[in-house]
Amino acid sequence: GQNIDQPTEMTATEGAIVQINCTYQTSGFNGLFWYQQHAGEAPTFLSYNVLDGLEEKGRFSSFLSRSKGYSYLLLKELQMKDSASYLCAAMDSNYQLIWGAGTKLIIKP
Amino acid sequence: DGGITQSPKYLFRKEGQNVTLSCEQNLNHDAMYWYRQDPGQGLRLIYYSQIVNDFQKGDIAEGYSVSREKKESFPLTVTSAQKNPTAFYLCASIPDGDVQPQHFGDGTRLSIL
Repeated sequence: GQNIDQPTEMTATEGAIVQINCTYQTSGFNGLFWYQQHAGEAPTFLSYNVLDGLEEKGRFSSFLSRSKGYSYLLLKELQMKDSASYLCAAMDSNYQLIWGAGTKLIIKP
Repeated sequence: DGGITQSPKYLFRKEGQNVTLSCEQNLNHDAMYWYRQDPGQGLRLIYYSQIVNDFQKGDIAEGYSVSREKKESFPLTVTSAQKNPTAFYLCASIPDGDVQPQHFGDGTRLSIL
């Protein structure tokens, strides 16, 4: 079957670095997406990886290892506004997204 | 500005009632999607449409119906057959072509009276 796993909740301190992990099993693979979702709002796109390696976008970076079925989202210089849920989604061979349950990130001052 | 508009933002359903959630986009996107999100769970696909007058069932289509008469519009009807409709409903679209991120509307929160 198809499956995405990510931690339910993480806590970090303002100004610090946090890494949110995601493992996936899909029928075929056409890339992995990370989205940010604030409570009661729609998800917003953060990053897309289809090749192995690290993609950096400002304070946010995303890493992919296709052989391990593994990705992580790295958030640096954490700000209070980064408190949100982070959703991992893998695209299968039919170009459909399989979504993880999301990781709720709590930032403490 | 281009975007996806969902309405209403909040909706209440009585027992035995059908309700329709609106989703309109002016992005000229071909594919449109409806997802359901429950607390602590990922997005689950209800229906999707890749072209006008055609749509496909997702993982949890039972109790729901859709239409795609116009490219811009993809309304979702929650029928009385859906016994547990309380959830956050999200509409999304993507352009045709290479792999692209989905754009989402602001969502509709549906509750039972």
